[in-house]
Amino acid sequence: NAGVTQTPKFRVLKTGQSMTLLCAQDMNHEYMYWYRQDPGMGLRLIHYSVGEGTTAKGEVPDGYNVSRLKKQNFLLGLESAAPSQTSVYFCASSPPGLSHGYTFGSGTRLTVV
Amino acid sequence: AQSVSQHNHHVILSEAASLELGCNYSYGGTVNLFWYVQYPGQHLQLLLKYFSGDPLVKGIKGFEAEFIKSKFSFNLRKPSVQWSDTAEYFCAVNEGRSSASKIIFGSGTRLSIRP
Repeated sequence: NAGVTQTPKFRVLKTGQSMTLLCAQDMNHEYMYWYRQDPGMGLRLIHYSVGEGTTAKGEVPDGYNVSRLKKQNFLLGLESAAPSQTSVYFCASSPPGLSHGYTFGSGTRLTVV
Repeated sequence: AQSVSQHNHHVILSEAASLELGCNYSYGGTVNLFWYVQYPGQHLQLLLKYFSGDPLVKGIKGFEAEFIKSKFSFNLRKPSVQWSDTAEYFCAVNEGRSSASKIIFGSGTRLSIRP
């Protein structure tokens, strides 16, 4: 029972490079989310999706894009990475209603140099 | 906009001490409330949640939380902590009528337990 799987787990980028983080869930959840976690700031919502083909902005969307072409996958893209995007990125999913809260992935640690 | 405040950034306790972590939120309507725990190097796991009913909620590993609507608070408690409780704890709130089920997290409280 995999739950939420994030790839890659670690990545180092140079300023200006691009990359895509993949989140995959096998629980048939409608809703998916991307958060970033920074020391002393908790988790901040970047983008979210309430269903296949739909996405919406969260608290800190600038510099990121997302796509949800398939229900089970939610991709987070960085078109031109900046040092300020050094963070740990968590993906989460949930059914509507949050009866069990979110299920989180194990995170991606991204360093931009 | 909703916000969640956790005023204790780092709490240090000895084993067997009692724990109370504060959490206050700013939304005045119907809310769902959560406490998540993040053990070192791991992802967030749900400790407990409050949706409605009895304001005293019991979660896993002996944790409980009390929802006090008049104080906009949802404090986490444990009568006797163990070394294995060393972790970061996040309070979180969801607007009860939100169609997108977005959860807003507090900044976290790091708990260190001395053996």
